[in-house]
Amino acid sequence: GENVEQHPSTLSVQEGDSAVIKCTYSDSASNYFPWYKQELGKRPQLIIDIRSNVGEKKDQRIAVTLNKTAKHFSLHITETQPEDSAVYFCAASIRRDLGNQFYFGTGTSLTVIP
Amino acid sequence: KAGVTQTPRYLIKTRGQQVTLSCSPISGHRSVSWYQQTPGQGLQFLFEYFSETQRNKGNFPGRFSGRQFSNSRSEMNVSTLELGDSALYLCASSSGGGTASYNEQFFGPGTRLTVL
Repeated sequence: GENVEQHPSTLSVQEGDSAVIKCTYSDSASNYFPWYKQELGKRPQLIIDIRSNVGEKKDQRIAVTLNKTAKHFSLHITETQPEDSAVYFCAASIRRDLGNQFYFGTGTSLTVIP
Repeated sequence: KAGVTQTPRYLIKTRGQQVTLSCSPISGHRSVSWYQQTPGQGLQFLFEYFSETQRNKGNFPGRFSGRQFSNSRSEMNVSTLELGDSALYLCASSSGGGTASYNEQFFGPGTRLTVL
């Protein structure tokens, strides 16, 4: 089955700096890669996603890149702010039958130091 | 639209007991997935239901089971609870159907299960 690895497990950055979180996946059939942000005590929420036919996607301070050949994708947050502090999960989705099965990374705890 | 809801939010059980958790998806969504979240293990996929049928299943023992009703509400049952079952159980709903390859998942707030 699919295996998603996520690094680093913890990340501390100064406010205003950039943060990068990297994930690798094993199954070339994965075709959808969402990123979720989970604040303390709250549910995971989708912040950005990318499909396998796209190499990069940006949304304001957040960007995701995908390298299908190397089977890795990354989340980039620029100009970090204290409210970016949270746990971030990457996921890879494989289409099975009529639906998708999601495989999640183990999460990155991001701390933005004011 | 109302979001995904889960009940109860908190549960305390003892070893050997069984528990049933409930998830109500976003109106119109037919797919409900269940995940177990523990520190250091991330989100582990339990199973997914679509139109009352289990469509996908993760690598959990048979003590973990689920079902989905005709209104798309889903329940998850864990029998013979073990200490290691203590976790946050999240459900996620998506439209899940048709030929779309990309179905965004929306998570519920989770049920925090503590097994003593």
